[in-house]
Amino acid sequence: DQQVKQNSPSLSVQEGRISILNCDYTNSMFDYFLWYKKYPAEGPTFLISISSIKDKNEDGRFTVFLNKSAKHLSLHIVPSQPGDSAVYFCAASGALGYALNFGKGTSLLVTP
Amino acid sequence: KAGVTQTPRYLIKTRGQQVTLSCSPISGHRSVSWYQQTPGQGLQFLFEYFSETQRNKGNFPGRFSGRQFSNSRSEMNVSTLELGDSALYLCASSSWTGGYEQYFGPGTRLTVT
Repeated sequence: DQQVKQNSPSLSVQEGRISILNCDYTNSMFDYFLWYKKYPAEGPTFLISISSIKDKNEDGRFTVFLNKSAKHLSLHIVPSQPGDSAVYFCAASGALGYALNFGKGTSLLVTP
Repeated sequence: KAGVTQTPRYLIKTRGQQVTLSCSPISGHRSVSWYQQTPGQGLQFLFEYFSETQRNKGNFPGRFSGRQFSNSRSEMNVSTLELGDSALYLCASSSWTGGYEQYFGPGTRLTVT
């Protein structure tokens, strides 16, 4: 059963605008959430994470928001750049953090 | 620091054969995890090792096994290969006792014919 869901397989955004990628989860025991970016033929690259005790974490152009009551998180990229075009994966882990549960990814295309 | 390295990068095997994939974690990282990525199932957790001990295992058949050496390098083995085992196998390492931020290697693309 898919415990982490990314319901939008793809997203297209114009350069300079905001990209918002969404992720929902079902397991209330998840304690830590991460976003990864993946280019073809490469492994996922860690972008940003958030602990369940926070509701927001920022790192440069990337901000992750967590709404625990809705079991929902989102990644905001502002401003979007063509180099951001990639597949973005949302992942979640329990308190021990041994295993990451991944969503199926959202393919982001940023057009000039 | 060098990143996570995986060898080989590409592999073609025949049904029924077995295969061993290798992973060298980032220096100082003691936790190594393995994932399988397929178009249909996405990224799925296989198992995680820390200090040569398997701490957690995903929902995969016993044909999938792994081990970790004292230098933290890890190998995974798949026996009696099936066509459905064709996938990208990713190794990830992390620096402390919890997984949290895991850093991935480039993967090994396994094709079973």
